[in-house]
Amino acid sequence: NFMLTQPHSVSESPGKTVTISCTRSSGSIVSNYVQWYQQRPGSSPTTVMYEHNQRPSGVPDRFSGSIDSSSNSASLTISGLKTEDEADYYCQSYDSINWVFGGGTKLTVL
Amino acid sequence: QVQLVQSGAELKKPGASVKVSCKASGYAFTAYYMHWVRQAPGQGLEWVGWINPHSGGTNYAQKFQGRVTMTRDTSISTAYMELSRLRSDDTAVFYCARGGGGYWAPVAYWGQGTLVTVSS
Repeated sequence: NFMLTQPHSVSESPGKTVTISCTRSSGSIVSNYVQWYQQRPGSSPTTVMYEHNQRPSGVPDRFSGSIDSSSNSASLTISGLKTEDEADYYCQSYDSINWVFGGGTKLTVL
Repeated sequence: QVQLVQSGAELKKPGASVKVSCKASGYAFTAYYMHWVRQAPGQGLEWVGWINPHSGGTNYAQKFQGRVTMTRDTSISTAYMELSRLRSDDTAVFYCARGGGGYWAPVAYWGQGTLVTVSS
């Protein structure tokens, strides 16, 4: 199995842009789609990005996803940060049959 | 609208088993994979496994193999996750999460979570 490594925490000011990375330990990041989930305290996760860069309906276009084959990583970028974006963010991908979640990144908007 | 409603919180003793249910509504139950995800207190999300409600086929994370069993009852659109030989470090919230038509498809809907507490 592979691992997905995320920074433990990131912080940025309202109105700014932040990028959260997710690095795959083995196997190509390109080969299997990456999803991103947002989890606010006390709530179930919600999907904010799927299939690398697709936004579910209802997710603002301030959220964008990308992959970088050179670093074998995926990224979630949030622009125009709002205090409501403060949450934990998890990347997720899969291999032949199993799913893997990243360890999660706590985003603080201060 | 799609809803996943999970059973209520459980308190179990070490060594016991727990069975969590997830009742689905608002969509064709057998058309979408169901995943189960665990979250220990203050920790991240951990994938437990999936079930294909159409065939009943399952796949479990290696960590849980031998202790977890996922089943479904298509007549009542309900998925179940049973975890046996519980330990104190199994204390966690368990989520059911509806995926897509294949195991690889992303989750679009999550249940509200079921807290399982393991304590003597």
